[in-house]
Amino acid sequence: NAGVTQTPKFQVLKTGQSMTLQCAQDMNHNSMYWYRQDPGMGLRLIYYSASEGTTDKGEVPNGYNVSRLNKREFSLRLESAAPSQTSVYFCASSEMGEQYFGPGTRLTVT
Amino acid sequence: ILNVEQSPQSLHVQEGDSTNFTCSFPSSNFYALHWYRWETAKSPEALFVMTLNGDEKKKGRISATLNTKEGYSYLYIKGSQPEDSATYLCAFNTNAGKSTFGDGTTLTVKP
Repeated sequence: NAGVTQTPKFQVLKTGQSMTLQCAQDMNHNSMYWYRQDPGMGLRLIYYSASEGTTDKGEVPNGYNVSRLNKREFSLRLESAAPSQTSVYFCASSEMGEQYFGPGTRLTVT
Repeated sequence: ILNVEQSPQSLHVQEGDSTNFTCSFPSSNFYALHWYRWETAKSPEALFVMTLNGDEKKKGRISATLNTKEGYSYLYIKGSQPEDSATYLCAFNTNAGKSTFGDGTTLTVKP
């Protein structure tokens, strides 16, 4: 079992560029999440998906879109990257509340 | 937005010291409280899940207690070791299934 995988691990974008962060889990979990982690601010929820076919906004959704492609995969898209989106992005999946995290994607927007 | 607060924000102790920190959360709509351990350059990993008022969980030198009526949980580390250095996160779940994380307590244990 790979658990939760994320690609890419690192990315540098110029302001205005777009990209998609990929996340996949092989634990057959219903719920999946995208967080961002900024210094001194812990984890902030961007979007989550309680089950295949559903998505909901979290605390900081502006500037992002998500797709729950199937039960395994949950992608996060930045349509027009801004320097304020420089952060470390974590994907997680859960069943019964306990979350399993991917290794993170470190994104820098210049 | 649910308010989950952790204190202190950071803590520096000597090897062998015992320490504890606090997670405060809303006392209504409680479903579960999770503690995670987050080492630098890694991903958070689950330590405990606590669901009942009065729950006590223990894993080696680390233990946690839960008071859902007053909305707090304590995490204790007995005889801290340098390998305990990490950020400890708590996460509050309502029965809607979404987790709200605190900002964490960063523990540094000096040899």
